Amino acid sequence: ELKVEQNPLFLSMQEGKNYTIYCNYSTTSDRLYWYRQDPGKSLESLFVLLSNGAVKQEGRLMASLDTKARLSTLHITAAVHDLSATYFCAVDRGFYEKLTFGTGTRLTIIP
Amino acid sequence: DVKVTQSSRYLVKRTGEKVFLECVQDMDHENMFWYRQDPGLGLRLIYFSYDVKMKEKGDIPEGYSVSREKKERFSLILESASTNQTSMYLCASSLSHKAQYFGPGTRLTVL
Repeated sequence: ELKVEQNPLFLSMQEGKNYTIYCNYSTTSDRLYWYRQDPGKSLESLFVLLSNGAVKQEGRLMASLDTKARLSTLHITAAVHDLSATYFCAVDRGFYEKLTFGTGTRLTIIP
Repeated sequence: DVKVTQSSRYLVKRTGEKVFLECVQDMDHENMFWYRQDPGLGLRLIYFSYDVKMKEKGDIPEGYSVSREKKERFSLILESASTNQTSMYLCASSLSHKAQYFGPGTRLTVL
């Protein structure tokens, strides 16, 4: 059974700082997704990582995938308040697009 | 832009009632999914469908059924609602190897 662990679960950081969210998973997969969820809202797709070594960047967020280590990271550069949200990683199980989600990282950016 | 709509944002039902949650997507996606989201548990897959009239159980199908008579519409049915089915229900759709697009969610309360 595929297990997906995110850490930290809660992260409070100051504006302007850098930080990384980690997503570890337990079995082989070549596809991983990052989503953002604002309070009371649904999930929004951030990144799709489809192969080992994939790196995607959008604004202050950068995601990478190391399939050998079964690890993805979401790096936040010079955080701003607008990035406050819950971030989920989701790992493809390899058939029928079934995903296993991590439990999420609630990120709070403090002015 | 992909649009996934759900029939209700908030729903209150009584124990034992039959409940229908509807989801419609407008981008001709072949895959559709139903999840429930509970605090501390992340998103858990209830059922999914990869084609019209095709359905597969997810991780927690007990107490639920689904229907997909048309490509754009995927319904979740609670045959006899129970209090432990109080949750946020999220519908999603996708093309193969692409990100899932989520609807706004239905917050269901079963009294």
